[in-house]
Amino acid sequence: DIQMTQSPSSLSASVGDRVSITCRASQSITTYLNWYQQKPGKAPKLLIYAASTLQSGVPSRFSGRGSGTDFTLTISSLQPEDFATYYCQQSYRTPLTFGGGTKVEIK
Amino acid sequence: EVQLLESGGGLVQPGGSLRLSCAASGFTFSSYAMSWVRQAPGKGLEWVSAISGSGGSTYYADSVKGRFTISRDNSKNTLYLQMNSLRAEDTAVYYCAKNSPNEDYWYFDLWGRGTLVTVSS
Repeated sequence: DIQMTQSPSSLSASVGDRVSITCRASQSITTYLNWYQQKPGKAPKLLIYAASTLQSGVPSRFSGRGSGTDFTLTISSLQPEDFATYYCQQSYRTPLTFGGGTKVEIK
Repeated sequence: EVQLLESGGGLVQPGGSLRLSCAASGFTFSSYAMSWVRQAPGKGLEWVSAISGSGGSTYYADSVKGRFTISRDNSKNTLYLQMNSLRAEDTAVYYCAKNSPNEDYWYFDLWGRGTLVTVSS
């Protein structure tokens, strides 16, 4: 199975900050990497697919980059509604696997 | 409205069975692969199973293979997950998710609200 490792597991940031989250795959997954946002008690929401393609309706302050084994999700200017947990997910092969999550908290 | 609505969760004893359902609306159900994803209390996301649009291909996580069966009824726009030999570690919120249009590249672009399954004596 392909293991997905996210870092950090949590971070504290202020509104307006630039925030980056890293996801590393245990083997190359080319660009088969997706990012989700989850708020407490809610279902996950797709943000980015294919490593860098923004899902329709997602604000442009979210961006993704990377290929192979190393990927990054960046929020250019953190907004109050962005405080949530973020997950990466590989779709290179089954079983599909998720990273452990990164909780973004208010400083 | 495009939506997924899960049902069938509840409390079940270890070794018991449960069948989850997911009613889809607002899109051409038979055109999309579908998945189940679960989340244990306070934990991260775990993909459980997927099924192709026609139902002809199914995929499972090792943790549920041989115990869970995914199926679909395209005439009823409904996805199912039959769960047998349930264990305490199967306790989780189970989400139904719509897979992306491209079956060579799967992501989940629509999620239900989830249904809680608790396995306990």
